[in-house]
Amino acid sequence: GAVVSQHPSWVICKSGTSVKIECRSLDFQATTMFWYRQFPKQSLMLMATSNEGSKATYEQGVEKDKFLINHASLTLSTLTVTSAHPEDSSFYICSARSGGAYNEQFFGPGTRLTVL
Amino acid sequence: GEDVEQSLFLSVREGDSSVINCTYTDSSSTYLYWYKQEPGAGLQLLTYIFSNMDMKQDQRLTVLLNKKDKHLSLRIADTQTGDSAIYFCAEILPSPAGRRALTFGSGTRLQVQP
Repeated sequence: GAVVSQHPSWVICKSGTSVKIECRSLDFQATTMFWYRQFPKQSLMLMATSNEGSKATYEQGVEKDKFLINHASLTLSTLTVTSAHPEDSSFYICSARSGGAYNEQFFGPGTRLTVL
Repeated sequence: GEDVEQSLFLSVREGDSSVINCTYTDSSSTYLYWYKQEPGAGLQLLTYIFSNMDMKQDQRLTVLLNKKDKHLSLRIADTQTGDSAIYFCAEILPSPAGRRALTFGSGTRLQVQP
């Protein structure tokens, strides 16, 4: 199957700093990528939908100025958590849609963010 | 709105069958999926079923869909310790914006005892 990578796999940062997470589709082009957030022992919650070359669509309650998404190419989307706070600590997972017949989404391995 | 519910925990013995259930509220779902998540990892697609199907079998996995009751189940035959993970059902709903994002259930933690 198609492979999606995320970098870094984990990051620890100080409160007030910004952190950038990359999501790459390695062997296919993804016109749409999704960013999810998962708290411990909870389900994935969609944060935003990222379309190549256009502005991301954010879900209700997600601050677009805090979670900056850039989808500059068909294989790369980035999520920047600006002015991170401890409550932003979470597991961030991206997925990329292959556009196949059954709309399969391929998920990255996730990035664990810890804000001190 | 859409709401996907699952039981939180299931414990079975190695070699037994596991059945993980999921209910959803929006009948306009087109595809329904089962994902597996191991600790600290992303999600792995196990199988999917199109909404006009009742059943799909793929090796040890059997998916049953009851559209009338909006009920989806995943049966794992001959469950192994390596099957221990969290299992999420998910649906894609058509939307005016064409977003086609996944809506996930709460996840069922499957524990397989040797």
